[in-house]
Amino acid sequence: QKEVEQDPGPLSVPEGAIVSLNCTYSNSAFQYFMWYRQYSRKGPELLMYTYSSGNKEDGRFTAQVDKSSKYISLFIRDSQPSDSATYLCAMTTGNQFYFGTGTSLTVIP
Amino acid sequence: DTAVSQTPKYLVTQMGNDKSIKCEQNLGHDTMYWYKQDSKKFLKIMFSYNNKELIINETVPNRFSPKSPDKAHLNLHINSLELGDSAVYFCASSQNGGPYEQYFGPGTRLTVT
Repeated sequence: QKEVEQDPGPLSVPEGAIVSLNCTYSNSAFQYFMWYRQYSRKGPELLMYTYSSGNKEDGRFTAQVDKSSKYISLFIRDSQPSDSATYLCAMTTGNQFYFGTGTSLTVIP
Repeated sequence: DTAVSQTPKYLVTQMGNDKSIKCEQNLGHDTMYWYKQDSKKFLKIMFSYNNKELIINETVPNRFSPKSPDKAHLNLHINSLELGDSAVYFCASSQNGGPYEQYFGPGTRLTVT
């Protein structure tokens, strides 16, 4: 079993839609949960991180962590064409790092 | 000013050659990382240095050797390149105590023919 599982998509939505991206994991020792956005041929860019369970909001982005279910989500409200990218979830115990394989998102104008 | 920079951006070389990739960060961070991203976009950590000291050394062939001359630089040397080494290599950095907040470089696209 992989440490982190993420549906690769691709996901295609119309502009203005709410997007839900998800990851599951197996290691209960993970403490920090991150979401990165990666545009084509660029390096990953940190969107947000969350410590332990709960929600965190930043503008149109909301990250949710449910440690009891080992499930994390990223919601994008009012999606824009500029949100078209690959979204990578990532988790760390502090000295172990694991990334999901990324979900490719296209927002259609 | 670029926060994390890598050189070269593209590297095409033949099997058996030795090559190096350089990384520099101007963020004042203490920790630097090397990641490998394969053709399926899977990103896997290879090494991590904290203040010039190796702290993470994942299972990678010993043909890969990182070197950190100072805390702002982390280089990756690869000996006897193989076809399977073809990938995008990313350097990243983070502040001490903040491994969850990593800043990535633009990547080096290595193609081994």
